[in-house]
Amino acid sequence: EADIYQTPRYLVIGTGKKITLECSQTMGHDKMYWYQQDPGMELHLIHYSYGVNSTEKGDLSSESTVSRIRTEHFPLTLESARPSHTSQYLCASSEAYPPRNEQFFGPGTRLTVL
Amino acid sequence: QKEVEQNSGPLSVPEGAIASLNCTYSDRGSQSFFWYRQYSGKSPELIMSIYSNGDKEDGRFTAQLNKASQYVSLLIRDSQPSDSATYLCAVLISGGYNKLIFGAGTRLAVHP
Repeated sequence: EADIYQTPRYLVIGTGKKITLECSQTMGHDKMYWYQQDPGMELHLIHYSYGVNSTEKGDLSSESTVSRIRTEHFPLTLESARPSHTSQYLCASSEAYPPRNEQFFGPGTRLTVL
Repeated sequence: QKEVEQNSGPLSVPEGAIASLNCTYSDRGSQSFFWYRQYSGKSPELIMSIYSNGDKEDGRFTAQLNKASQYVSLLIRDSQPSDSATYLCAVLISGGYNKLIFGAGTRLAVHP
């Protein structure tokens, strides 16, 4: 079944730790995205990718980095987690060409940095 | 002016009523418009997409688009308590890398 998977779903970690949030999709989509969303607040695009070896920063400045070595996989890494990184991180994917740029979201990772 | 604007609500409607959610956008060249539903603590779920002026119906949902007025709306007929959620309007802006801009969302509360 075509879907988007994110792991872990919940993560509580101490300051200074390196973390990687995983995102995989079986939708066959070329485009993938990472959004950050605080409770009750707007979605903010932090990274996106058009395809393998293509990554760009989004609108919201983020200390995280991403990689796209395989079409289906788009992990996000924080080298040194801080309490300000506490948020929900949402991965999404879409077809490559408009107008059908419908984005589909994974279940999200709720990150808490102590 | 924000690129995509929505009334934050809450919009409170009785069960069985029609809920009307509105969204305006600033990019005149936009061609693709989407409505997402987001339950508290969950990820957004795509419920409607619309690309042409007029109405598009899917079950109890109707999306309405007026490009001249830069306005898109979502009607929910026979509202149910399970429809209580935040509804996000998203607009695909023209040019560049086809970025999807999300509104801040309208919180809908359907009371029995």
